[in-house]
Amino acid sequence: NAGVTQTPKFQVLKTGQSMTLQCAQDMNHEYMSWYRQDPGMGLRLIHYSVGAGITDQGEVPNGYNVSRSTTEDFPLRLLSAAPSQTSVYFCASSYSGRYQPQHFGDGTRLSIL
Amino acid sequence: GENVEQHPSTLSVQEGDSAVIKCTYSDSASNYFPWYKQELGKRPQLIIDIRSNVGEKKDQRIAVTLNKTAKHFSLHITETQPEDSAVYFCAVNFGNEKLTFGTGTRLTIIP
Repeated sequence: NAGVTQTPKFQVLKTGQSMTLQCAQDMNHEYMSWYRQDPGMGLRLIHYSVGAGITDQGEVPNGYNVSRSTTEDFPLRLLSAAPSQTSVYFCASSYSGRYQPQHFGDGTRLSIL
Repeated sequence: GENVEQHPSTLSVQEGDSAVIKCTYSDSASNYFPWYKQELGKRPQLIIDIRSNVGEKKDQRIAVTLNKTAKHFSLHITETQPEDSAVYFCAVNFGNEKLTFGTGTRLTIIP
């Protein structure tokens, strides 16, 4: 039981490049989410999903896309990277989005030059 | 709106003393209040949570208290140890599928 697995752990991109951050969980959790963490700003919700085929926007969705084709995977896509997207990205999962603790992955540290 | 304010942003306490971190929130419909601990370079990890029908919850040296009338909840760490040094985040579920986090408290335990 690996929990929540994120890849890659580190990535450097140039402005305008695209990439996908991968997230997978093996706990059969219905709810998955993506957060970004910036100094002094806590964790901010980017997108979330309450089950396969269902996604919705969080607090800071602009510049990011998600899809949920399976229960296990929830990739986050940066369409055209910008320096403002330099951050640490965390994926999380839980049995439900309501009243349940979130289980976090180890994070992806992303730098946009 | 769905707002969470966390204070203080930094806190230093002598080893063995107690530490208290407080969060206030905006919506009285909120009903789930977790606390996460994040060590440097690591993932946030749940340390304790409380639901709105409970006023206090304890787990060894850690406790959380909730005042729904005043819309605030607090994390209490007693008999602090060096391994308690970390960043602590409160969070609130406002009755939907989103968890809103506070901005964090950097706790330093002075040996």
